[in-house]
Amino acid sequence: DTGVSQDPRHKITKRGQNVTFRCDPISEHNRLYWYRQTLGQGPEFLTYFQNEAQLEKSRLLSDRFSAERPKGSFSTLEIQRTEQGDSAMYLCASSFIPGTSGTDTQYFGPGTRLTVL
Amino acid sequence: GEDVEQSLFLSVREGDSSVINCTYTDSSSTYLYWYKQEPGAGLQLLTYIFSNMDMKQDQRLTVLLNKKDKHLSLRIADTQTGDSAIYFCAERRGSGTYKYIFGTGTRLKVLA
Repeated sequence: DTGVSQDPRHKITKRGQNVTFRCDPISEHNRLYWYRQTLGQGPEFLTYFQNEAQLEKSRLLSDRFSAERPKGSFSTLEIQRTEQGDSAMYLCASSFIPGTSGTDTQYFGPGTRLTVL
Repeated sequence: GEDVEQSLFLSVREGDSSVINCTYTDSSSTYLYWYKQEPGAGLQLLTYIFSNMDMKQDQRLTVLLNKKDKHLSLRIADTQTGDSAIYFCAERRGSGTYKYIFGTGTRLKVLA
């Protein structure tokens, strides 16, 4: 088990460009989460998937943001028309929970640091 | 509001106990968590407590939950320099949702 991986680790882009990040969860984890973390703050929830279904989205996730998990394994987070305010660390986490209730231990990836110039 | 509040900094001497406090907002939160984040590393789950519990102990870690005041604390006994990190509390809102709200983090510095 290699843990949660994210790619790229760093991304620098110009304002207005589109970017896409990838998260590979721990194999057989059925839940996958995306968070955004800015300097001096805790992670902010963006969205989560159970298998391939996107079950909840934060209102932080504007229409410029889209996330997919097409086969219930890896996930992508795309930001269109990036703005300087999008600069942050984007964190992915995965967990496994049988059924629909109970606690889930989230394992976090190292994050993708986005800088929008 | 949505804020989960923590004090920003805590400094302790090696060998002393550390107590990190958190105030959460949603009385229907089912689980409350403590995470540790070291520089350049991802968040690591330390422990969690279910909302019907008052206390949970796990080796050097003791979690206390006061539901009436919506107050959560993490006590680290015999604090070591390797405990220096940022500690986040998080609440899982309500039932049937897996939306987690994190606090702003407490930076713990352990002095040798």
